[in-house]
Amino acid sequence: RKEVEQDPGPFNVPEGATVAFNCTYSNSASQSFFWYRQDCRKEPKLLMSVYSSGNEDGRFTAQLNRASQYISLLIRDSKLSDSATYLCVVNLENSWGKLQFGAGTQVVVTP
Amino acid sequence: GAGVSQSPSNKVTEKGKDVELRCDPISGHTALYWYRQSLGQGLEFLIYFQGNSAPDKSGLPSDRFSAERTGGSVSTLTIQRTQQEDSAVYLCASSPRVGDSPLHFGNGTRLTVT
Repeated sequence: RKEVEQDPGPFNVPEGATVAFNCTYSNSASQSFFWYRQDCRKEPKLLMSVYSSGNEDGRFTAQLNRASQYISLLIRDSKLSDSATYLCVVNLENSWGKLQFGAGTQVVVTP
Repeated sequence: GAGVSQSPSNKVTEKGKDVELRCDPISGHTALYWYRQSLGQGLEFLIYFQGNSAPDKSGLPSDRFSAERTGGSVSTLTIQRTQQEDSAVYLCASSPRVGDSPLHFGNGTRLTVT
């Protein structure tokens, strides 16, 4: 099993709709969780950190489910500019600095 | 500068040659990370530095790969006797602390081994 797994998609989403997807991780002791977005041929950029209580940033909501070992990202009122690959990032407890990236979930927002 | 700077931005080299990739992190950032990304693939962890030391080198693909960081700042990633499978984008990132703070990425070095 991969340490961090994501559905590669693509998730084809009509503009204005809501899309949500998960990321599962294997290490139950992981402490740090992030969502990044990566546009084609660009470097990843931080979208948001994921906190235990869940957190929201505008149209984006992140949740952490420790019992089932996954994090989720929900995008409301999708914009064309939300089209990107969304990467989840999890640290590995036995190597605090080793931040493991998932392979990404592609989201395509269509007019 | 304000962000993470990597050089060169592109490098084409012949198989068997050595290459050196450079990363200038954001000033004051303790942690520095190297990843690589092959076309259409996810990011592969290579190594991270806390200050000048590298506690975890487990991600380096082979002994042809080495990295160092001096003065708690600039880092170089060296690939000896390059092979075609080394072709990828090599991304450097830095963060204020190790592990629990977000990474700030540079634009990457696109390495092509012919």
